[in-house]
Amino acid sequence: DSGVTQTPKHLITATGQRVTLRCSPRSGDLSVYWYQQSLDQGLQFLIQYYNGEERAKGNILERFSAQQFPDLHSELNLSSLELGDSALYFCASSGRVGSTDTQYFGPGTRLTVL
Amino acid sequence: AQSVAQPEDQVNVAEGNPLTVKCTYSVSGNPYLFWYVQYPNRGLQFLLKYITGDNLVKGSYGFEAEFNKSQTSFHLKKPSALVSDSALYFCAVRDGRGSGNTGKLIFGQGTTLQVKP
Repeated sequence: DSGVTQTPKHLITATGQRVTLRCSPRSGDLSVYWYQQSLDQGLQFLIQYYNGEERAKGNILERFSAQQFPDLHSELNLSSLELGDSALYFCASSGRVGSTDTQYFGPGTRLTVL
Repeated sequence: AQSVAQPEDQVNVAEGNPLTVKCTYSVSGNPYLFWYVQYPNRGLQFLLKYITGDNLVKGSYGFEAEFNKSQTSFHLKKPSALVSDSALYFCAVRDGRGSGNTGKLIFGQGTTLQVKP
């Protein structure tokens, strides 16, 4: 158990809908990262937050957004869902940004868009 | 730009034999390199990392990795494979160095390790 929690484990929804994925980082970690794992794209970085502030953006679609709250948990919002958004979404956390701290991953949320 | 390549989609090895999962990298400056393992329907588990120092890094579950700067490689190894080692293995490099870097990971495409009894 990495100490990173993600809810829900599974999500099944329809095209055009909106969903929210939730992540709680390890105790004491300030940095949260979101990654998407799909068969065709592999593991891709989406976005990073550090202590409530957006730190970096990767291959994140405009339909997707995220935030990190004062208690450091983070939410990834996916809207106007398309079939191609079906993937495994991981959250990871680490201590200090820019350090050599290891990123620890949560169990992921499997999103299926029908 | 930083990148990582895992040249083998799948590695097959018999239980008890040594295993190697290959990884090569391309970075500007000195690399921070990681190995993660993913079991079916599970998240990524951290195995080991190279930051600096000894080129042979020891990690979890008996795995180790050898950093080779001249060959820009970071191969994952284990002296004696177990059936339970069968999983998907990812090599990753941390993006950026110095102040202002984000620490995001850039992953290879993954290598499936199949250990047969």
